[in-house]
Amino acid sequence: QSVLTQPPSVSGAPGQRVTISCTGSSSNIGAGYDVHWYQQLPGTAPKLLLSGDNNRPSGVPDRFSGSKSGASASLAITGLQTDDEADYYCQSFDGSLSVVFGGGTKLTVL
Amino acid sequence: QVQLQESGPGLVKPSQTLSLTCSVSGGSVSSGNYYWNWIRQPPGKGLEWIGYIYYNGNTYYNPSLKTRLTISVDTSKNQFSLQLNSVTAADTAVYYCTRVRGDSSSGDWGQGTLVTVSS
Repeated sequence: QSVLTQPPSVSGAPGQRVTISCTGSSSNIGAGYDVHWYQQLPGTAPKLLLSGDNNRPSGVPDRFSGSKSGASASLAITGLQTDDEADYYCQSFDGSLSVVFGGGTKLTVL
Repeated sequence: QVQLQESGPGLVKPSQTLSLTCSVSGGSVSSGNYYWNWIRQPPGKGLEWIGYIYYNGNTYYNPSLKTRLTISVDTSKNQFSLQLNSVTAADTAVYYCTRVRGDSSSGDWGQGTLVTVSS
């Protein structure tokens, strides 16, 4: 049981827009801690996709964006590409000084 | 460009101790700007935070693992390490070491190492 809640799977056709939600609580996202998103391609280590709610590391296309409201956050992917098929994880920090993750969402590009 | 590399046994017997080391190059574990982190991923499952350490030795552990866990840092070797005692099959996972920024994000990851707990 993950501290942050994500949908197990989402899907979309090439070119479409998809969103992945991440729901926490008043002790983590709701307390104002940053939310970060990671992309994990099959058989590889996760890669930081967005940090501090909506900051893209160098090399991450602007098709990826994040938002946060209250105790929830969302990752949006526009112009969906087949290369985007991966697992996506949200991560935040908890007032107990713990790092917390979502359970992960598998994105399928139809 | 910092690089992290996990090393250690790929097979550990139940009830024994799992020990892994993360070697850091292109950066220093003595840097006060980062924390040094362990994360694991059981086969086919999601990411689980294990714990992290600061260069001065301050540690922060996942409460569910705290009684079995020790994370240490060796600044002379530019490494940090993980020891997990009394392992069971539930500890079978790919173990990753990461460098954590002040905002708690892991911008740099090792490639991961699979540790299997089995007799």
